[in-house]
Amino acid sequence: KQEVTQIPAALSVPEGENLVLNCSFTDSAIYNLQWFRQDPGKGLTSLLLIQSSQREQTSGRLNASLDKSSGRSTLYIAASQPGDSATYLCAVPGGDNFNKFYFGSGTKLNVKP
Amino acid sequence: DGGITQSPKYLFRKEGQNVTLSCEQNLNHDAMYWYRQDPGQGLRLIYYSQIVNDFQKGDIAEGYSVSREKKESFPLTVTSAQKNPTAFYLCASSKAGRGSEQYFGPGTRLTVT
Repeated sequence: KQEVTQIPAALSVPEGENLVLNCSFTDSAIYNLQWFRQDPGKGLTSLLLIQSSQREQTSGRLNASLDKSSGRSTLYIAASQPGDSATYLCAVPGGDNFNKFYFGSGTKLNVKP
Repeated sequence: DGGITQSPKYLFRKEGQNVTLSCEQNLNHDAMYWYRQDPGQGLRLIYYSQIVNDFQKGDIAEGYSVSREKKESFPLTVTSAQKNPTAFYLCASSKAGRGSEQYFGPGTRLTVT
C-alpha cells in the first residue's frame, strides 16, 4: 500500500522568504502527484498536478517538482506572503486502476508579516 | 458556476443515530469520493464510485454506507456501527480515467455526542 509522508509537519517563516515543502511516497509506480492547499475548516483547493512523465510544473509563485525514482516531490513557494498561510497536502493515486488517492498529513505553513 | 456542494456544513447527532451527509456536483464528473479527516491527519478514503450504480470500499469503510443512484449525487450515511464518527468529512469528484485531478467540496463537520 502506498504511504505518503510530508516533512516538516509545520513551518513558520517571515514574509518574503522562499520555501520548500517536501512530500515522499513509498511506491514509485505513480501516475501523477497532486498538491493541494487547505485553509482551516475548509475543503481542499487543487494547486498543481504533475504527471509522472514531467519533472516540473509551475503556477505563478508555485513550482512543483517530481522525482519518481527517489519517491519525492517538492513544492517551492517563492516570495511567501501571509495569504499563503495554510496547510499544504500532497496526494498520489494508487490501487488497481489508480482510482484510490493516498494523502500525506500535510505541512502547516505560517507566513509572518 | 460548476462545483461540489456538501450539506450541511455542521452536523450534530447523538450516539446511536444514523446520519446522512449530502454531496452534489455539477461538474459532469463520473467519479466521486468520500474522505474522512481527523485533526492533524491526512485524508483517508471511505468509499469511491467510478460510475452510477457502482461503488467500492476504501480503506476505512466499516460503519459507513453509500449509494450512487445519480451521476450528480453521492450521499454518505454514517451508521451507529461507526465507533468514532466525529470528524471532518470531505467529498471529491474527478473525471473518469487514471489519476484524474480531484476537486473537493467545502466539507461537513460531524460531531457525535
